[in-house]
Amino acid sequence: QSALTQPPSVSGSPGQSVTISCTGTSSDVGSYNRVSWYQQPPGTAPKLMIYEVSNRPSGVPDRFSGSKSDNTASLTISGLQAEDEADYYCSSYTSSTTVVFGGGTKLTVL
Amino acid sequence: EVQLVESGGGLVQPGGSLRLSCAASGFTFSSYWMHWVRQAPGKGLVWVSRINNDGSSTTYAGSVKGRFTISRDNAKNTLYLQMNSVRAEDTAVYYCTKGGLAHFDYWGQGTLVTVSS
Repeated sequence: QSALTQPPSVSGSPGQSVTISCTGTSSDVGSYNRVSWYQQPPGTAPKLMIYEVSNRPSGVPDRFSGSKSDNTASLTISGLQAEDEADYYCSSYTSSTTVVFGGGTKLTVL
Repeated sequence: EVQLVESGGGLVQPGGSLRLSCAASGFTFSSYWMHWVRQAPGKGLVWVSRINNDGSSTTYAGSVKGRFTISRDNAKNTLYLQMNSVRAEDTAVYYCTKGGLAHFDYWGQGTLVTVSS
């Protein structure tokens, strides 16, 4: 199972919006609404930000939103803040009943 | 408060074995799927294995299938990962996670496994 494809890096200024894409195949992202997004600041454990494509766990700001179209899922962060600077990973359930992650995207807040 | 505390990591020689443990508290352990996820130094996240709430169903990534075994003891609120025939590429921080079928809503702080002679 190949990793999902994410851009290595994205950046934005405070207050702006950024979108991180996550491209899979019809065997994972395209077939299941089980896409999740995780935030990992340096030296810390990951934190769940979005699950099942667009659901936010309690405590996650509504500046974070998720969507999906065909084989590509997206995480959008609006009103960018300095504290959002971190690595972001997507994941998806697969037709093999396993889970596959993306390679990760480093978000820099300029 | 949900807490997941991993232990058992360390230095192991190629071909050797190691058992990781994860002590869970703050939630009804026997009601949730549990997973192991690993992260090699400076690299991305990789899913390793999943076990259902009563331990009757397990799934593994292809890279560890036949070498690693996930298990749980609901009476002790503890998750395990038995790692056999380890390889250099198994070197990583191993995270214990709570979640659903394919998402992870709480993570431990991880335990480092280093495979080297």
